Amino acid sequence: QQQVKQSPQSLIVQKGGISIINCAYENTAFDYFPWYQQFPGKGPALLIAIRPDVSEKKEGRFTISFNKSAKQFSLHIMDSQPGDSATYFCAARSGTYKYIFGTGTRLKVLA
Amino acid sequence: DAGITQSPRHKVTETGTPVTLRCHQTENHRYMYWYRQDPGHGLRLIHYSYGVKDTDKGEVSDGYSVSRSKTEDFLLTLESATSSQTSVYFCAISEFGTANTGELFFGEGSRLTVL
Repeated sequence: QQQVKQSPQSLIVQKGGISIINCAYENTAFDYFPWYQQFPGKGPALLIAIRPDVSEKKEGRFTISFNKSAKQFSLHIMDSQPGDSATYFCAARSGTYKYIFGTGTRLKVLA
Repeated sequence: DAGITQSPRHKVTETGTPVTLRCHQTENHRYMYWYRQDPGHGLRLIHYSYGVKDTDKGEVSDGYSVSRSKTEDFLLTLESATSSQTSVYFCAISEFGTANTGELFFGEGSRLTVL
């Protein structure tokens, strides 16, 4: 299966709270799992990425948790800020260029 | 920001007319992609290219064709536009090697409305 299932579709979080977005996949050939952030009217931009030999990766307030056995990975945004309000896409890649994207999560952080 | 320019950025056209979207990059990356973004579907790959004159179909290629005659340009053509092709189209590029990890860089998008 080539799908990447992303949830929730939308998320509202208070400023300072933790935002959590989840993704699940089936294809064990996927070997690279990026998260993209997209602001209105802009193209998606790489936020953070992980490979399956690592269970967690942290960059500032953003953390990816990866569970290889469950075929799931998630994005945690700590101390969420209004400037984090955007649409987030998870993705999975097999080979050098075949990316499959999740359906996106629209995050709104309330001030 | 990666040097990716999409044109036009906005276009309104009528059903049955041909439409060409252009993606121009200044990064000399081998791989170029066309995605469409629709609510509830995320980003879906239409076509991709792995070099000049080397292209292949993605998951939603019906009704679209592409051409790449130069490294820097990747054209997406709708031969006869339909209302179902109303969407936002994104071009992306990537490269692999010692200095590149295959990360996708996206353009700013082209919003197409087919009436």
